[in-house]
Amino acid sequence: DAGVIQSPRHEVTEMGQEVTLRCKPISGHDYLFWYRQTMMRGLELLIYFNNNVPIDDSGMPEDRFSAKMPNASFSTLKIQPSEPRDSAVYFCASSLQVWGAEQYFGPGTRLTVT
Amino acid sequence: KNEVEQSPQNLTAQEGEFITINCSYSVGISALHWLQQHPGGGIVSLFMLSSGKKKHGRLIATINIQEKHSSLHITASHPRDSAVYICAVTIIQGAQKLVFGQGTRLTINP
Repeated sequence: DAGVIQSPRHEVTEMGQEVTLRCKPISGHDYLFWYRQTMMRGLELLIYFNNNVPIDDSGMPEDRFSAKMPNASFSTLKIQPSEPRDSAVYFCASSLQVWGAEQYFGPGTRLTVT
Repeated sequence: KNEVEQSPQNLTAQEGEFITINCSYSVGISALHWLQQHPGGGIVSLFMLSSGKKKHGRLIATINIQEKHSSLHITASHPRDSAVYICAVTIIQGAQKLVFGQGTRLTINP
């Protein structure tokens, strides 16, 4: 398996623009997680899905952020409108079960909002 | 106070030294994870444990549930072990989610 795939790897955009990050989990994994990593706050869970259904979105910072999982092999994290404070590395991870198994992380998307 | 605290924040050692990184947590947990993040940014899960001790190659992870403490040990350290090591816990109160420590940056000099 190719592992968790994320695109793009790097994104530079201007404040106010819409940004869409994409993730393809490992085939057969039931859970998908979106994380954000910044120097100030470290790694934070934003949202996670189980069988394409959002389970816990309490980490989503505000209404500008939204995430979808239309099918088992694809998820998006959208920021609209983007702000400079959204600059971070966004990781997607997947696992077979949420609290007992290893999570496999994608390579991350480095987002810079100017 | 953070729910997950790691120490030290930075650690520099010589090749071959025995390394210990500590993680303390203040909440009830169902599991503790050790992650490794390489300079390129990729994150790899090293261990998931809820009791006792696990070993993988030169890496050993232990957890003491009563003391709410875990340690990650590296024997015969090598420059390729240089990375950020992150402790994370799955908490059992409220909505379960993964809570991360701030990470320990390890540098092994040849």
